[in-house]
Amino acid sequence: SQKIEQNSEALNIQEGKTATLTCNYTNYSPAYLQWYRQDPGRGPVFLLLIRENEKEKRKERLKVTFDTTLKQSLFHITASQPADSATYLCALDVDTGRRALTFGSGTRLQVQP
Amino acid sequence: EAQVTQNPRYLITVTGKKLTVTCSQNMNHEYMSWYRQDPGLGLRQIYYSMNVEVTDKGDVPEGYKVSRKEKRNFPLILESPSPNQTSLYFCASRGDGYEQYFGPGTRLTVT
Repeated sequence: SQKIEQNSEALNIQEGKTATLTCNYTNYSPAYLQWYRQDPGRGPVFLLLIRENEKEKRKERLKVTFDTTLKQSLFHITASQPADSATYLCALDVDTGRRALTFGSGTRLQVQP
Repeated sequence: EAQVTQNPRYLITVTGKKLTVTCSQNMNHEYMSWYRQDPGLGLRQIYYSMNVEVTDKGDVPEGYKVSRKEKRNFPLILESPSPNQTSLYFCASRGDGYEQYFGPGTRLTVT
């Protein structure tokens, strides 16, 4: 069956360190992969999109890698801040016909001051 | 400000009482969709619409209806709500790029 896996355990790191979140998928061949941030009780907010032919994408303190051979994406936040504490969701385009995104369950990041 | 709005934000209702959750976007997006989010299950698409009068089922459409009479509005209708539809609901729209813009969410409780 098709599956997207994100570490369900919370990731706790110290302020200033780099946070690295993982998204693994099976049985998909997505054209692109997206990362969203979600704060409690709020809607997800788009952060970054990376296409299948791109290895890496950066935006300010954020970096995403996409390895279609390993079927894995890594999401990095450098110089992390307490304000970065949130749940981060990865999403794959798995049905280009209906332009649907399939989301992972998310990883909660807690940055300690 | 570009945004997706939903109303109501919170709703408690009883089994069988029809309800509508409204969704509106001001970005002139053609594509809109509804998701529900449940603990451990992530976001799952309920219905989507590629344009006015064009709607189709997502992954979990049972018990829901939608309509798209205008480009900006995409209401979600629960004709006869049941307790298993207690969830957090999000409306989203998508422009020419691939990112989706989500509304603030509607927390529905069906008793």
